[in-house]
Amino acid sequence: AQSVTQPDIHITVSEGASLELRCNYSYGATPYLFWYVQSPGQGLQLLLKYFSGDTLVQGIKGFEAEFKRSQSSFNLRKPSVHWSDAAEYFCAVNGGGFKTIFGAGTRLFVKA
Amino acid sequence: GAGVSQSPRYKVAKRGQDVALRCDPISGHVSLFWYQQALGQGPEFLTYFQNEAQLDKSGLPSDRFFAERPEGSVSTLKIQRTQQEDSAVYLCASSSGQGVLYEQYFGPGTRLTVT
Repeated sequence: AQSVTQPDIHITVSEGASLELRCNYSYGATPYLFWYVQSPGQGLQLLLKYFSGDTLVQGIKGFEAEFKRSQSSFNLRKPSVHWSDAAEYFCAVNGGGFKTIFGAGTRLFVKA
Repeated sequence: GAGVSQSPRYKVAKRGQDVALRCDPISGHVSLFWYQQALGQGPEFLTYFQNEAQLDKSGLPSDRFFAERPEGSVSTLKIQRTQQEDSAVYLCASSSGQGVLYEQYFGPGTRLTVT
């Protein structure tokens, strides 16, 4: 069965510092992989996705993620965090059907 | 343009009541998804529509949950005889193509509280 693990429930980063949010998945083959952001009062927004090809994918708002098959990971990174990045981040996987499995989320706090 | 809208935004129901949650997808979007998001958790897939056809309802937690999209546009999620464990935010998403390879656009959700 597919599953997604986001090991960090919350992370605090200083503004301007780099960020890495971890995501590990369990699936027999290479799934489709996604990162979403959920800000208070706003709907989920897709940051980036990986289907195939280049394992380093670029997304919106300066985010990128790297797919590592050997580690079953799809970690999200940003070189310099802005206060507006404070939100909840969800990693998600899909094995090709209609059902996407979401992780429990990592809440990002940004301190001045 | 207008995004996905959901109504009501908040709903309080007494245990045992029936509720109906509405989703207005982006105009012309073929696909529509419903998710349930419990407090402190990620969204959980409930069901998927391609136009008016419900192609996957594997995530519906019980037969008290029913979803429809009769004209391939607006969708309604109905929960009969609500129970406390139904308290959650119900999210709707739509996309322009079939399946999950197209970006899903999410609505703001309906927060259901069952007392």
